Amino acid sequence: DSGVTQTPKHLITATGQRVTLRCSPRSGDLSVYWYQQSLDQGLQFLIHYYNGEERAKGNILERFSAQQFPDLHSELNLSSLELGDSALYFCASSPRQGLWGYTFGSGTRLTVV
Amino acid sequence: GNSVTQMEGPVTLSEEAFLTINCTYTATGYPSLFWYVQYPGEGLQLLLKATKADDKGSNKGFEATYRKETTSFHLEKGSVQVSDSAVYFCALNRNSGNTPLVFGKGTRLSVIA
Repeated sequence: DSGVTQTPKHLITATGQRVTLRCSPRSGDLSVYWYQQSLDQGLQFLIHYYNGEERAKGNILERFSAQQFPDLHSELNLSSLELGDSALYFCASSPRQGLWGYTFGSGTRLTVV
Repeated sequence: GNSVTQMEGPVTLSEEAFLTINCTYTATGYPSLFWYVQYPGEGLQLLLKATKADDKGSNKGFEATYRKETTSFHLEKGSVQVSDSAVYFCALNRNSGNTPLVFGKGTRLSVIA
């Protein structure tokens, strides 16, 4: 157990729907990062939050949004889902800016049908 | 921009063979370098890291040396085991601002008995 908790582990939903992925960072970590892992694109950085504030955005679609709450857990919202959104979504956390590396959760596997 | 290039897999080795997975990077400044491992069905785990030139990271028999002159961070292990079968990711962090970890595309290793 890495200490980073992601729920749910698996999610199957239809095109056009909206889902919310949840991440609880390791105790004491203030930064949360979201990554998307697909077979053809590898690991793509989506977004970084530090202590409730957005700090960096990567290749995140406008249909996707995220936030980090006062208790430091984070949610990634994916809407108007398309087949191509099917992927593994990982959350990672670090104490501050991750200079010593991140701790990853076990991921949420999203399947859009 | 910052990028990481890894040798393409899959790599298939017999048990007790010597392993090298090549990784080169492009970055401004002095990044920190990492190797992560992803076992089937799991999230990424930090395997080893190096934060400055000539540093050697090591863990579980794996080693990698930060070579600034060749911008490389090749992963090596003297004698692989079946349990080492996994996907290995090289990554860098620029150590400034809020830039996230940048990952290579990963190299799948299969070790056969």
